Amino acid sequence: KQEVTQIPAALSVPEGENLVLNCSFTDSAIYNLQWFRQDPGKGLTSLLLIQSSQREQTSGRLNASLDKSSGRSTLYIAASQPGDSATYLCAAHTTDSWGKLQFGAGTQVVVTP
Amino acid sequence: GAVVSQHPSWVICKSGTSVKIECRSLDFQATTMFWYRQFPKQSLMLMATSNEGSKATYEQGVEKDKFLINHASLTLSTLTVTSAHPEDSSFYICSAGEGGGGYEQYFGPGTRLTVT
Repeated sequence: KQEVTQIPAALSVPEGENLVLNCSFTDSAIYNLQWFRQDPGKGLTSLLLIQSSQREQTSGRLNASLDKSSGRSTLYIAASQPGDSATYLCAAHTTDSWGKLQFGAGTQVVVTP
Repeated sequence: GAVVSQHPSWVICKSGTSVKIECRSLDFQATTMFWYRQFPKQSLMLMATSNEGSKATYEQGVEKDKFLINHASLTLSTLTVTSAHPEDSSFYICSAGEGGGGYEQYFGPGTRLTVT
């Protein structure tokens, strides 16, 4: 069974610093790897989706890399802002016929002004 | 982008009553819908997968008779929590996809259920 782990569980940085969030998964047979943002009491906002054939995806200040062979993905957020404070979740699309997502526990990020 | 709505956004009910939560795909046809629950400060736990016109597939440990899922059309799935108890209080989130494996899922805003 696919297991997804996120390290660290929590992270606090001053504004302007770059953020590095790590995600690891045990089964390299995945369709995609997806990063989400969740604000307290809210649903999920999709940030980036990396196809299994891709190495990275970029959107604005966000960059996500994927290394299937090592079972790792990293989300980089450049020049962090207080508005980036949220919980970040990664999820692996399993290769079952339904396309289930296996979520990590998340990294809670606080960016201080 | 694809939009998924949930109704209600929050609900309070008394212990022993049933509550229905709707999940709708507004601008696409969802072949598959997923239901998750999330406890405070924890990640999403998949409860079940539903496909239009067929029975839902429940994850291990999820009570089928307690969490009734119906996917009657390509744009609507419902989750009914039957005989709710305080331990069922949670955040329920649905997602919808246009296809099976590998297709992106679009998430609803979630429903906060509180059972008193």
